[in-house]
Amino acid sequence: QSALTQPASVSGSPGQSITISCTGTSSDVGSSNLVSWYQQHPGKAPKLMIYEGSKWPSGVSNRFSGSKSGNTASLTISGLQTEDEADYYCCSNAPSNTFVFGTGTKVTVL
Amino acid sequence: EVQLVESGGGLVKPGGSLRLSCAASGFTFSDVWMSWVRQPPGKGLQWIGRIKTKFVGGTPDYAAPVKGRFTISRDDSKNTLYLQMNSLKTEDTAVYYCATDFGESSFGSWGQGIRVTVSS
Repeated sequence: QSALTQPASVSGSPGQSITISCTGTSSDVGSSNLVSWYQQHPGKAPKLMIYEGSKWPSGVSNRFSGSKSGNTASLTISGLQTEDEADYYCCSNAPSNTFVFGTGTKVTVL
Repeated sequence: EVQLVESGGGLVKPGGSLRLSCAASGFTFSDVWMSWVRQPPGKGLQWIGRIKTKFVGGTPDYAAPVKGRFTISRDDSKNTLYLQMNSLKTEDTAVYYCATDFGESSFGSWGQGIRVTVSS
């Protein structure tokens, strides 16, 4: 099972919106409404930001939103803030009751 | 407050074994499916496997790279998750996280991670 493909880096200025893509195949992202997204600051554990495609866990800002079209899921961060600077990973369920993560995207706030 | 604390990491030679533990508190451990995720140095997250609750059979699922070498188990009486790693390879070097399953297909709470280094 190959990792889902994400852009290596995305950047934006404070207040702007950015979108991170996550491309898989018809066997994972394309057949799943269960894509999740994680934020990871350096040296820290990942934090769940979006689950089941577009839902927010308690305590997560609604500036983060998730969507999907075909084999590609997307995470949009609106009103970019300095604390949003981190690595972001998508994750999808995959065949045989497994999961696959994305390659990861480094978000830089200019 | 949910707390997950991993232990048991360290340096091990290729071909060796190691057992990681994840002590859970702040929630009803026996009701929650649990997963292990790892992160090689400077690289992305990799799902290793997960174990269901005893209520639905307590069976584990594994990622292909570790199937047959790693074993996930749980002791609900001790609120502890385990990862037995055998036939370790240099590419198993990583920070290992335990995590609670959340919803149908995500990982809600994570431990702080424990480092495992496989090197001669």
